[in-house]
Amino acid sequence: DADVTQTPRNRITKTGKRIMLECSQTKGHDRMYWYRQDPGLGLRLIYYSFDVKDINKGEISDGYSVSRQAQAKFSLSLESAIPNQTALYFCATSEGFAGTKNIQYFGAGTRLSVL
Amino acid sequence: QKEVEQNSGPLSVPEGAIASLNCTYSDRGSQSFFWYRQYSGKSPELIMFIYSNGDKEDGRFTAQLNKASQYVSLLIRDSQPSDSPTYLCAVRHGGSQGNLIFGKGTKLSVKP
Repeated sequence: DADVTQTPRNRITKTGKRIMLECSQTKGHDRMYWYRQDPGLGLRLIYYSFDVKDINKGEISDGYSVSRQAQAKFSLSLESAIPNQTALYFCATSEGFAGTKNIQYFGAGTRLSVL
Repeated sequence: QKEVEQNSGPLSVPEGAIASLNCTYSDRGSQSFFWYRQYSGKSPELIMFIYSNGDKEDGRFTAQLNKASQYVSLLIRDSQPSDSPTYLCAVRHGGSQGNLIFGKGTKLSVKP
């Protein structure tokens, strides 16, 4: 079983709909991240969380919200989806701050299309 | 704005040659450096990390770090067609709460 699991793997939705992407992990890591990836733009950080009570905005948080339901679960919501949110979304985890604890491990990704 | 720069490629090398991928970063306080490999539509997969100046070798891969010149490179010896995904450079800048900043990636193309 994957250590970092994202659901759904693919989603097609319509403009204006609310959608939630879910991420769960069995690695026991405290830190979790949400990225989006667009062709030619690389990975961009949307939100990150260092523990259940700590949520931080990343580079491109507008239009998104998150919820850290437990150490193992971190969900990303699009309150009112728009077409330019069509992208590949990745969840990642890391153990901590320094050295090898800083390595991020990625889920398989969610491909989202907003029509 | 802290930045990580990579040539987007594609970088084309013949099979069996050494592929050299380069990455520069803007923050002199950067402390940790990572190379990920990403096949199209798949998740990034860590292949190397390096913290100290100099070379670090792991199988066919060698990471090279030069903090004075602010660049990190990845060498792939005996390149194979299966080495043809996109390579992402990631840097933990000083004071970034441990977050990584990713370059846009270099597409490698190994020709048989």
